[in-house]
Amino acid sequence: DAGVIQSPRHEVTEMGQEVTLRCKPISGHDYLFWYRQTMMRGLELLIYFNNNVPIDDSGMPEDRFSAKMPNASFSTLKIQPSEPRDSAVYFCASTRGGNQPQHFGDGTRLSIL
Amino acid sequence: AQSVSQHNHHVILSEAASLELGCNYSYGGTVNLFWYVQYPGQHLQLLLKYFSGDPLVKGIKGFEAEFIKSKFSFNLRKPSVQWSDTAEYFCAVNAYSGAGSYQLTFGKGTKLSVIP
Repeated sequence: DAGVIQSPRHEVTEMGQEVTLRCKPISGHDYLFWYRQTMMRGLELLIYFNNNVPIDDSGMPEDRFSAKMPNASFSTLKIQPSEPRDSAVYFCASTRGGNQPQHFGDGTRLSIL
Repeated sequence: AQSVSQHNHHVILSEAASLELGCNYSYGGTVNLFWYVQYPGQHLQLLLKYFSGDPLVKGIKGFEAEFIKSKFSFNLRKPSVQWSDTAEYFCAVNAYSGAGSYQLTFGKGTKLSVIP
């Protein structure tokens, strides 16, 4: 079991640039979640997918954020244009079945200058 | 909408002290309950879970939690903490929200610092 794989681990970029975060869920998991973690707001659910279909995107902060899951083994979270307040650690998690424990990736630490 | 409250933002204990972290949730239906731990610089890992049955649940590393339905609580306990337990602890509640969907809500987390 390779676990949830996220890339990159760290990203530093200037404001206004496009940022793309990537996630590979555990094989066989049909739910995928994107979270954002900051000191001020804690852990926030941004969006989640079931069988590659977005189910709830009410946590996505604004139109600058978008997420896709083109197939069962890959998802992206895109920020365009990025702003300093987007700086955070972004976690991806997956699970088999909606009520099972989630398995988290190592996260992407994003810094927008 | 459901919510999860963790009473303590930061707890500081000496090694060998006993630990209890509070967690209360608001949801009237059936829930699954979890505690996750996040060691410094790492991702969240499952500590223990409750689905049904015995309300006293034992997890990894000597942790346990008790589900008290009447109090909507799921407090985490450990009789004797170690320095290596220094981490942030998150309570989470998963509730069925209809049409095959579940909603997992995390508490704000409690930072535990254990002093050697």
